[in-house]
Amino acid sequence: AQKITQTQPGMFVQEKEAVTLDCTYDTSDQSYGLFWYKQPSSGEMIFLIYQGSYDEQNATEGRYSLNFQKARKSANLVISASQLGDSAMYFCAMRIPNSGYSTLTFGKGTMLLVSP
Amino acid sequence: EAGVTQFPSHSVIEKGQTVTLRCDPISGHDNLYWYRRVMGKEIKFLLHFVKESKQDESGMPNNRFLAERTGGTYSTLKVQPAELEDSGVYFCASSRGLASDTQYFGPGTRLTVL
Repeated sequence: AQKITQTQPGMFVQEKEAVTLDCTYDTSDQSYGLFWYKQPSSGEMIFLIYQGSYDEQNATEGRYSLNFQKARKSANLVISASQLGDSAMYFCAMRIPNSGYSTLTFGKGTMLLVSP
Repeated sequence: EAGVTQFPSHSVIEKGQTVTLRCDPISGHDNLYWYRRVMGKEIKFLLHFVKESKQDESGMPNNRFLAERTGGTYSTLKVQPAELEDSGVYFCASSRGLASDTQYFGPGTRLTVL
């Protein structure tokens, strides 16, 4: 069975600093995808970044980067230069492709608060 | 391009009543997923449609939950009769067509069963 673990229930960071949100995963499959989603207080789930298990480079999307360490089964999200609007719940998720159709397994989430 | 929309945004009902949640996926997305987050727990998969067919409904908690996607466009999720433990946020997501495609989520429906 697949499992995602986010060990940080909450994180605090000052504006303009970088922050790392931890995510470890457990799967015996060789092919998988890792995702991060952001859920602000308004409730919608916003896709941030994706990393495929065979991607050799760490994924980056603007201020977001994914620190992918395959041997350690970790996929930490790094947010550079935090902004007040980054305050939200962050979910790490994994997908195991299965016959071309697949669902997401989520972690419990990390609440990030950015202070001025 | 409009995103995934869900209706209603909030619903408060009494135990034993029926509630129907609606999801409109992104136009052209064949795959539609329902997920649920109960307070303090992980977001859990409920079921997956490919067009109008149920591809995977292994996450449906019991037969009080009925999902439909007539015509392969919007989907409804009916809970009948609702129980207290059904309270939570119900998310819908859609993706275009491949296993590698990103799933885009709607804003969720917050269901409270009293």
